[in-house]
Amino acid sequence: SQQGEEDPQALSIQEGENATMNCSYKTSINNLQWYRQNSGRGLVHLILIRSNEREKHSGRLRVTLDTSKKSSSLLITASRAADTASYFCATNNAGNMLTFGGGTRLMVKP
Amino acid sequence: GAGVSQSPSNKVTEKGKDVELRCDPISGHTALYWYRQSLGQGLEFLIYFQGNSAPDKSGLPSDRFSAERTGGSVSTLTIQRTQQEDSAVYLCASESRVAGETQYFGPGTRLLVL
Repeated sequence: SQQGEEDPQALSIQEGENATMNCSYKTSINNLQWYRQNSGRGLVHLILIRSNEREKHSGRLRVTLDTSKKSSSLLITASRAADTASYFCATNNAGNMLTFGGGTRLMVKP
Repeated sequence: GAGVSQSPSNKVTEKGKDVELRCDPISGHTALYWYRQSLGQGLEFLIYFQGNSAPDKSGLPSDRFSAERTGGSVSTLTIQRTQQEDSAVYLCASESRVAGETQYFGPGTRLLVL
C-alpha cells in the first residue's frame, strides 16, 4: 500500500508560474524525500527533509514538512518548460525502504 | 561507476517465459533496491539488499519473483513464468548508507509480456 498520497494528481501551469504539490502520509517518519521522474524512467532525487525540520530550500525548490498534519509540500518557483515531469514524495519510517506516493504529473506550458 | 545502470532497457517476452533483469549499482554502495512501476502509477517496493545481510523480500508479489546480489554488487531480478500483469518498468536503486537516505535510480527496464 502507498504511504504517501500526492495532490493534485495532475497540474498544468504556464511557464513562470509557481507549482505547488502536496503529499500526505499515514505513519510517523524519519524523513521525507521528493523525487522527479521524466518519461517513466529513472527517478532523480530532489530534496530530503528530516522529521525534525520544517522547511528546506534548494534552488527554485522549497519543501515544507508538517509532522502534526503528516503532510509535506513541494513548491517550484518560476517554473520552466523543462520542469515538466512527474514528482513523487517518498517516506522513510525506520524501515529499509522508501514508500512512494502515486505522484503528481506536472506540465509547464511554454 | 558513473551511475546505476540497468539492462536490458526494454524487454518483450511471451507469457510463460522467464526473464532476467540486471542492475549494476554505483560502486561502493552497500544497499540495493528493486521497485516496480506500472503505467502511470507510483513505485512498488520489491526487494532490498544491504551488505551481507539477508535480503528483505517482503515486497515480492509472488514466488515467481526472485532476486540475488552476487559479491555485494551486481543484482539480478528473475521473473519466472511471466504473466501479462508483470508488464511494468522495473527500477533499481542503490544507496551508500544504511536505510533512509538518498537513493540513486537506474533508468529502468521496461518489460512487456505479450
